[in-house]
Amino acid sequence: QQQVKQSPQSLIVQKGGISIINCAYENTAFDYFPWYQQFPGKGPALLIAIRPDVSEKKEGRFTISFNKSAKQFSLHIMDSQPGDSATYFCAALITGYALNFGKGTSLLVTP
Amino acid sequence: NAGVTQTPKFRILKIGQSMTLQCAQDMNHNYMYWYRQDPGMGLKLIYYSVGAGITDKGEVPNGYNVSRSTTEDFPLRLELAAPSQTSVYFCASSYSGGGPSGANVLTFGAGSRLTVL
Repeated sequence: QQQVKQSPQSLIVQKGGISIINCAYENTAFDYFPWYQQFPGKGPALLIAIRPDVSEKKEGRFTISFNKSAKQFSLHIMDSQPGDSATYFCAALITGYALNFGKGTSLLVTP
Repeated sequence: NAGVTQTPKFRILKIGQSMTLQCAQDMNHNYMYWYRQDPGMGLKLIYYSVGAGITDKGEVPNGYNVSRSTTEDFPLRLELAAPSQTSVYFCASSYSGGGPSGANVLTFGAGSRLTVL
């Protein structure tokens, strides 16, 4: 059973637009929510992460919005660039255990 | 500083053959993991280890075995390869396995693409 549900599966955005990827979870014991970015032929790499006691975290053009009551969190990529084209995974962690990943979103930013 | 090194990068196996995917990290990380990635299915945890001599099953352990005799190495063994094991395998490591701290960041290797025919 997928513990973290991610949508959409694929996304096409024009250069300069906003990319939005959504994730939902059920287990309220999760205490850490990272996003990983993966380019073709490479392993995933940490992009940005948030704790459940914070509603928003911003790093450059990347922002995580977190809604604890709805058990949802999302990644916003502002001013999307062709170099952002990659697969994005949301994940959730319970302290002391391994990460649970969403199924991933393939993002294509067109010029 | 090499990070997480996986070998081989590519391998084709015949059904029933055995092989070992190698993983080594030079960051003195305590935790190591093996994930498999299938198209549209995300990353699924096969096995993980919290330190030398300690391993535990993840979500999809059937058909695989692991060992952790040193902090640096975490090999994944496939005993009787089956077409269902065709996948891209990623090894990862982290300093600690839990908690919202910087030490929990997973560092992934570049992956090993395995095809079983």
